[in-house]
Amino acid sequence: DAGVTQSPTHLIKTRGQQVTLRCSPKSGHDTVSWYQQALGQGPQFIFQYYEEEERQRGNFPDRFSGHQFPNYSSELNVNALLLGDSALYLCASSHHPGTVKNTGELFFGEGSRLTVL
Amino acid sequence: KQEVTQIPAALSVPEGENLVLNCSFTDSAIYNLQWFRQDPGKGLTSLLLIQSSQREQTSGRLNASLDKSSGRSTLYIAASQPGDSATYLCAVPASGGYQKVTFGTGTKLQVIP
Repeated sequence: DAGVTQSPTHLIKTRGQQVTLRCSPKSGHDTVSWYQQALGQGPQFIFQYYEEEERQRGNFPDRFSGHQFPNYSSELNVNALLLGDSALYLCASSHHPGTVKNTGELFFGEGSRLTVL
Repeated sequence: KQEVTQIPAALSVPEGENLVLNCSFTDSAIYNLQWFRQDPGKGLTSLLLIQSSQREQTSGRLNASLDKSSGRSTLYIAASQPGDSATYLCAVPASGGYQKVTFGTGTKLQVIP
């Protein structure tokens, strides 16, 4: 049973560039959320996707956008990169809260380490 | 707004010692509380999930308790081992959504052989 997979694992960009990160949820999960974790901090919620729509959003600017595909996989896009966007980006998956299968447990991938120079 | 605090920020213990990690949260109207482990530069591994109706959960040498009324949870690790060295994070969902989760900043544990 494949867990949550993310790609790429590491990447380096320069200020002003754009980046796309990818996530495949755990088998059977339909809801994906993204988190940003700066060094030495806890993860911060970016947004959540279910049924190909953004359902909830944290306190992040519009430069952060996402997408969910019919197979439940998801992308996180960040435009006009800033030095402060350097972080570990984590994807989490679960069953949707409204479904019987949901226990509320989140499963995380290994993350994508983004460095902005 | 939910705020989560973890104390201590760092902890160093000799191998074999029993230890307790603390997590406190400001809004007691939570659906559940989840404890995670994070190794340096890696993702989060789920350790224990406690539903709001439960008082504790156990998995092997780990035991997590939840006291919603006081806004506290503890993670008890018995007979610590060097392989337990990692950062431990607790997380609670915001009211109205399971995945808008608020994390503490973690407790960095070092178990010395």
